[in-house]
Order: sequence, then structure tokens, then C-alpha cells
Amino acid sequence: SQQGEEDPQALSIQEGENATMNCSYKTSINNLQWYRQNSGRGLVHLILIRSNEREKHSGRLRVTLDTSKKSSSLLITASRAADTASYFCATDNGNNRLAFGKGNQVVVIP
Amino acid sequence: NAGVTQTPKFQVLKTGQSMTLQCAQDMNHEYMSWYRQDPGMGLRLIHYSVGAGITDQGEVPNGYNVSRSTTEDFPLRLLSAAPSQTSVYFCASSYSHRGADSPLHFGNGTRLTVT
Repeated sequence: SQQGEEDPQALSIQEGENATMNCSYKTSINNLQWYRQNSGRGLVHLILIRSNEREKHSGRLRVTLDTSKKSSSLLITASRAADTASYFCATDNGNNRLAFGKGNQVVVIP
Repeated sequence: NAGVTQTPKFQVLKTGQSMTLQCAQDMNHEYMSWYRQDPGMGLRLIHYSVGAGITDQGEVPNGYNVSRSTTEDFPLRLLSAAPSQTSVYFCASSYSHRGADSPLHFGNGTRLTVT
């Protein structure tokens, strides 16, 4: 069943602005991952954050995890047109399966 | 490096036909999986494998068969295609045999239409 649910589901921002999207989940997790999907392509892994971690950075990406609220956020700073994509969170519940949310469409306007 | 290779990229089938979607990876990954992606539904797991000779069902396995005779290949078979199987299919692999505790590497998908 679907685990992560992204919010907002669609986001439109100007180039240079920051984009924040959230993911909520329902059961305990071992880790949470974020992926990007450009139109017509496969998903690309961005960041993995484990349940004992609170924050991780990778370039212009910052991910936070709050296990008490069962939520995570992905921040893209200084967005670029190339960041236009769908973003998915996915959770590891300890059963050899990665469960994906429905995705969040981000459009960066040049 | 090729990574995860899926063939074909596009396929049109008539209801009742059978076909095999191919997936191969050259990263010596233990874990391989198949997802389908439908509008508004996100990605749903069909089948997965934690190593050669081992397969298991995911969230939506009905109508699909898989086998894993080698580490590199993980084909997905549709025995009798139905319009409900119209979707985009993604194969993904991971170096961890558990799959979910390490990044998944995705192919570029097979877009299947069943008429």
C-alpha cells in the first residue's frame, strides 16, 4: 500500500526561489528516500535519511526527518529550470520493499 | 556504464496477448524489482527478487510472473494482457539484498498499451 504522501502535490516557483515539499507516512520506518523523475525518464535517487538521523544535505538539497511527526521535508535552494521534475518520497518499513508516494510536481519558471 | 537497461521502450498489445518485458543490470546488484506507474497512483511494486533463484510478490502481483535465473536479468511476463495493465513499467536494482535500505537504480521504463 502507499506509504509516503507528498504535499503539496503541485508547486510552481520562479527560478532562484526555494522549493519545499513535505512527505508524511503512517508506520515506523528504517529509512526514507527522495527521488526525482524528469518527464519520460526513470527515477533518480537524491537522498537517503535513516530513522536515527534528523537532517542531511546534498548540494542544494536539504532533507529533514521528524519521526515523532512521521514526516519529512525536501528543500531545494536557489532553484533552477533544470529542477523541474516530479519528486517522490519512499519509505523502508523493514519488509524488503520500498513504498513510494504519489509524487509532487515541481515547475521552475525561468 | 549501462546501469539498468529495459527493453522495449514502447509496446502495444491486444487483449489476451502475452509478452515479456526485459530488464538487465550490469552492477552486480543482488536486489531487483518491478514497479508500475499509473497517473495519480505513484509507483506500485509488482514483484521483487533478493537474489538469483529467489522472487517474491509485491503490492500488485496479479497477472504478472517473474523469474531470476541470473543475477543480471529479471524479466517480467504478462501471460494474458488486459487493458488494466496499460501502464509504464520500471525495473530497479539495488546493491543491498534487502533492497529498501540502499538507493534504487531505475531503468528508463517500458510504456505498455493494451487495447
